[in-house]
Amino acid sequence: AQKITQTQPGMFVQEKEAVTLDCTYDTSDPSYGLFWYKQPSSGEMIFLIYQGSYDQQNATEGRYSLNFQKARKSANLVISASQLGDSAMYFCAMRERLLTSGGSYIPTFGRGTSLIVHP
Amino acid sequence: SQTIHQWPATLVQPVGSPLSLECTVEGTSNPNLYWYRQAAGRGLQLLFYSVGIGQISSEVPQNLSASRPQDRQFILSSKKLLLSDSGFYLCAGKLPGRDYGYTFGSGTRLTVV
Repeated sequence: AQKITQTQPGMFVQEKEAVTLDCTYDTSDPSYGLFWYKQPSSGEMIFLIYQGSYDQQNATEGRYSLNFQKARKSANLVISASQLGDSAMYFCAMRERLLTSGGSYIPTFGRGTSLIVHP
Repeated sequence: SQTIHQWPATLVQPVGSPLSLECTVEGTSNPNLYWYRQAAGRGLQLLFYSVGIGQISSEVPQNLSASRPQDRQFILSSKKLLLSDSGFYLCAGKLPGRDYGYTFGSGTRLTVV
């Protein structure tokens, strides 16, 4: 079973509008962390936002916010006021400790969502 | 600053040839390091991770191997490349002191012909 599921292969949004990118996860580690990364066409991976499993508040970083719904195992990324430069692949990721990792956190990534922002 | 260096940026290799991709960490010590492969239009597949010198864990059985000969060096290798080894290879690190996020190298785009 996939640990990170991103069900939207592609999303389109009008410039200046908000967009939500979906992410659900599955883990048995109570102390996990969730991340979102942006990958432009250059291939670099840009860290956007982090949410710890015990964090009570939803994480926010500028125009990015993470809609964390723990009971639903959902960690959607909301981008407000989309800009043309937001066009990229977006990856949801989770770090968790595995039985085989000796207590080390192992990051797993979803398949990504391609976001295109229209002018 | 803490950064991860990866080279080469692009590589075209014939089937059956060997491979060596190097990843080095600058500005910190004892990082956890990871090798990922990204097929065209796909997500990141974790290949190997290392929590210290000489310690390698493999996530996916395949034609590749990894080594960590020094604290800040992580190498991805193959004795004989297959066409299916083509992809974008990314080295990542969980750098001590950073509670959030993982730092990535700039990646190597490998094409096996």
